Amino acid sequence: DIVMTQSPDSLAVSLGERATINCKSSQSTNYLAWYQQKPGQPPKLLIYWASTRESGVPDRFRGSGSGTDFTLTISSLQAEDVAFYYCHQYYNTPWTFGQGTRVEIK
Amino acid sequence: QVQLVQSGAEVKKPGASVKVSCKASGYTFTGYYMHWVRQAPGQGLEWMGWINPNSGGTNYAQKFQGRVTMTRDTSINTAYMELSRLRSDDTAVYYCAMEVTIPYWGQGTLVTVSS
Repeated sequence: DIVMTQSPDSLAVSLGERATINCKSSQSTNYLAWYQQKPGQPPKLLIYWASTRESGVPDRFRGSGSGTDFTLTISSLQAEDVAFYYCHQYYNTPWTFGQGTRVEIK
Repeated sequence: QVQLVQSGAEVKKPGASVKVSCKASGYTFTGYYMHWVRQAPGQGLEWMGWINPNSGGTNYAQKFQGRVTMTRDTSINTAYMELSRLRSDDTAVYYCAMEVTIPYWGQGTLVTVSS
């Protein structure tokens, strides 16, 4: 199985500042997605293929990386961005997910 | 556009079974594997398995072998996930999901197991 390791587990950032979340895969893949999840809601797709922004997602969300190392950057944190964020590899079965990163306002 | 619409919330007693449905539209149902993923309260995402809607073939996570059954009805473009011998730690939101270039998810079905 491909193991996805996210860091950090939680992150507190001031409004308007940058938030950076990392995800490391135990095997190379570019079928890498990033999700935002708020309480009581399903995961919302932000980024797929590691760096392609889903339609309608604000451009302050940027995915980067390739192979085994990936990053989600929120360039200017807004109040509505408070949520959990997960990376997900969908290249191999089983699908595997990072453990999640909680993003809060400092 | 791709849509996955799941059945409503369920409350079950320990030892019972639950069957969750996932109706697909907007793509060729038999062309893409359907996955099932669950999320316990306050926890992360856990892959349970997939079904090939074309052949009916399945691949289950070892953790759920013997308790989960995934089926489909191609006449109504619907996939099902049945989990038996429910325990309290099966309380979770269950999602169906598939990938057509990008991943698509259902809205989730809350299954509560409580005596």
